[in-house]
Amino acid sequence: AQSVTQLDSQVPVFEEAPVELRCNYSSSVSVYLFWYVQYPNQGLQLLLKYLSGSTLVKGINGFEAEFNKSQTSFHLRKPSVHISDTAEYFCAVSDNNAGYMLTFGGGTRLMVKP
Amino acid sequence: DAMVIQNPRYQVTQFGKPVTLSCSQTLNHNVMYWYQQKSSQAPKLLFHYYDKDFNNEADTPDNFQSRRPNTSFCFLDIRSPGLGDAAMYLCATSRDPEISYEQYFGPGTRLTVT
Repeated sequence: AQSVTQLDSQVPVFEEAPVELRCNYSSSVSVYLFWYVQYPNQGLQLLLKYLSGSTLVKGINGFEAEFNKSQTSFHLRKPSVHISDTAEYFCAVSDNNAGYMLTFGGGTRLMVKP
Repeated sequence: DAMVIQNPRYQVTQFGKPVTLSCSQTLNHNVMYWYQQKSSQAPKLLFHYYDKDFNNEADTPDNFQSRRPNTSFCFLDIRSPGLGDAAMYLCATSRDPEISYEQYFGPGTRLTVT
């Protein structure tokens, strides 16, 4: 069975600093990986996805993530954050055994301080 | 723009009084999902429809039911809401998994039980 671990429940960072949100997964087969962002009282918005191909994936709002198969990780990065990036970030995984079901990590709250 | 719409955005109901939440989509996607999300937690899948086929998660309480009268609409019925059912309810859709595993989320309905 697949699982997702987001290692940090909260990440405080100053505006314009770089940030990395960590995500590790476990799966016995090929995986599809996603990062979603959730602003207060809103639904989830897809930031980026890895399905196949290049291991470095670029998404919206200046975010990128790197798929590392040997370390079973899919960490999210941004070189310079803004106040508006304050939100909850969820890593999710799906694989062929799970069909089209997503398994979510517990979420990481990014808090950008001025 | 094609989208997932949820109505109402905020719903207040009394303990034990049936309530229905609505979801519609203009994406013409095959799969529709209902998730429950409690404060500071990841979304939890309640059930999903693949076209007309209903799939219930094993741990979804019998108190929760769903209807999908056509491709565009899906409803979540809570027959006798308890205080523990207060949460954000998220609807999501996805295309045929042979094409894509990406899920598109609506803005959510926040349910309060008094």
